[in-house]
Amino acid sequence: DTAVSQTPKYLVTQMGNDKSIKCEQNLGHDTMYWYKQDSKKFLKIMFSYNNKELIINETVPNRFSPKSPDKAHLNLHINSLELGDSAVYFCASSHLQGLEQFFGPGTRLTVL
Amino acid sequence: DQQVKQNSPSLSVQEGRISILNCDYTNSMFDYFLWYKKYPAEGPTFLISISSIKDKNEDGRFTVFLNKSAKHLSLHIVPSQPGDSAVYFCAPSRIQGAQKLVFGQGTRLTINP
Repeated sequence: DTAVSQTPKYLVTQMGNDKSIKCEQNLGHDTMYWYKQDSKKFLKIMFSYNNKELIINETVPNRFSPKSPDKAHLNLHINSLELGDSAVYFCASSHLQGLEQFFGPGTRLTVL
Repeated sequence: DQQVKQNSPSLSVQEGRISILNCDYTNSMFDYFLWYKKYPAEGPTFLISISSIKDKNEDGRFTVFLNKSAKHLSLHIVPSQPGDSAVYFCAPSRIQGAQKLVFGQGTRLTINP
């Protein structure tokens, strides 16, 4: 029983392409997140949604657009991919007032 | 602006000994502190946490110590086991607005048999 799942696990694509990463959680949480782990290994929050509403939007290029069709899903669409977008992207979920976030296995994005 | 620093990128400890991982933070508004453990090709998993009203929290082999005046916390693992080999992230937060975890760079712990 996977708690937070992401697809795909690996994504290799050319510069300029548009791609999406999907995330689903079956924990009954109402808040979901996207994090980016860059080459220096820092994990930085990008977005957070609570009940399909955006609550955190860090300084992220507007080529990145999150979409939450329902509480259990949060997708990340990236337009016009750049070399610097290469990273591991982690989805996470929690209760809104929960102090612990549960992470998915990550999606390694490589932009060539 | 690095609010959280884990100054040791790596640490090697013999099995059975104590592992001590350190974390420093700059934001005095942080009032809740989490440690996450991460294996390769997996997402971080929650390990242990501490509230700013405490200075110590223990869970089995894992103990976290918090020194608010020094803005420093540490994670002690004793005795260390081979399965503890992983990357450990310190992640301070605020109870109000707990959604915004701020992660350190991580410390790679290797337990040698």
